[in-house]
Amino acid sequence: NAGVTQTPKFQVLKTGQSMTLQCAQDMNHEYMSWYRQDPGMGLRLIHYSVGAGITDQGEVPNGYNVSRSTTEDFPLRLLSAAPSQTSVYFCASSYGTSGIFEQFFGPGTRLTVL
Amino acid sequence: AQSVAQPEDQVNVAEGNPLTVKCTYSVSGNPYLFWYVQYPNRGLQFLLKYITGDNLVKGSYGFEAEFNKSQTSFHLKKPSALVSDSALYFCAVRGATASKLTFGTGTRLQVTL
Repeated sequence: NAGVTQTPKFQVLKTGQSMTLQCAQDMNHEYMSWYRQDPGMGLRLIHYSVGAGITDQGEVPNGYNVSRSTTEDFPLRLLSAAPSQTSVYFCASSYGTSGIFEQFFGPGTRLTVL
Repeated sequence: AQSVAQPEDQVNVAEGNPLTVKCTYSVSGNPYLFWYVQYPNRGLQFLLKYITGDNLVKGSYGFEAEFNKSQTSFHLKKPSALVSDSALYFCAVRGATASKLTFGTGTRLQVTL
């Protein structure tokens, strides 16, 4: 199993550009989520999904869109990048939606917005 | 709303000494509690969890944590620290009826020879 994979590993954008961060998992996990990690702020939840076709907002959803057309994939879209979105982004997945199972994290995408 | 506090930004300990990384939480109802570790330039890795049952839970790499309901704490411990334990540690909580996991701000553990 590859686990949770994320692409790209690094990205530099100019303000106003758009891009999609890719996330895929091969563990047949129902629950998937996106976090951003900023110094001194820990991980903050952006969006999450409890299954294909179902998504919901986390703590910091503004400026980001998600969709979940398949169980495996959960892309994160930045429609118009802003410097405040400079961060490290992690995708995670877990078995079921009850919350009792641990999350598996991808290696992260380091995004810089100039 | 649920929340997690990790009061120490950094914990320093000598190799071979016991270590404790503190975590307190606030949640409605019963908590699901987790510890994760992050090594440099890597994603988070699961260490251990408390869902129900015995208050002392054991996890990976010799780590353990004690759930204390009255003090709303879930401190991470290890009897004898290793230099290789140096990393960033995150505590996380989810209420039993919630749909999201909330992370603390992280504690950097530095183990020196």
